[in-house]
Amino acid sequence: EVRLVESGGGSVQPGRSLRLSCVASGFTFDDYAMNWVRQAPGKGLEWVANIYHNSAKINYADSVKGRFTISRDNAKNSLYLQMDSLRTEDTAFYFCAKADDFWSGYITHWGQGTLVTVSS
Amino acid sequence: QSVLTQPPSASGTPGQRVTISCSGSASNIGSNYVYWYQQVPGTAPKLLMYRNNERPSGVPDRFSGSKSGTSASLAISGLRSEDEADYYCSTWDDSLSGAVFGGGTKLTVL
Repeated sequence: EVRLVESGGGSVQPGRSLRLSCVASGFTFDDYAMNWVRQAPGKGLEWVANIYHNSAKINYADSVKGRFTISRDNAKNSLYLQMDSLRTEDTAFYFCAKADDFWSGYITHWGQGTLVTVSS
Repeated sequence: QSVLTQPPSASGTPGQRVTISCSGSASNIGSNYVYWYQQVPGTAPKLLMYRNNERPSGVPDRFSGSKSGTSASLAISGLRSEDEADYYCSTWDDSLSGAVFGGGTKLTVL
């Protein structure tokens, strides 16, 4: 059974940083691309970033480009999201999500989410 | 404003058939697979349909998906009260080099 467990969420002031982590199990982690997707409270889903199975290519949504960094450690079955220069509009539940293949944002499995609140 | 367009709401009575549409463009739906997700408020999304019309194991055959050109749709037949949830379509966009989602459709079972 695929399991994705996020951690690292919390409350932070605008302009500060936060690092999210996701530990994966139940599948061969280094065979699949991984994604981060967020959802502001009461709003729809917004794709944030994805990373190839071997970290060879990374893509970001325009809304986070230059501020967020996605990375992975295949030896630890872990995915990360470094979030810098946080803004109030970054407040959301952040989901770690497994792709259907080695490269894409076709998501097949989701973590339970971790809440990030950016407020002064 | 979402890249993919879904109706904000849909409704039906138990046993009815409901269809939710998802409209995009040549760079997204027109050239890539469509995925559908069901989300009960307060929980994580769950995969409902993959690669346009494939059902994951455990998803009832009351759910079906289709795609034609730059549009896709999700059909739910024999509507049940537990189908009440938010539904999202998603695909990859070649121009944006990223995944895109519809704005979501809130399904109410009357």
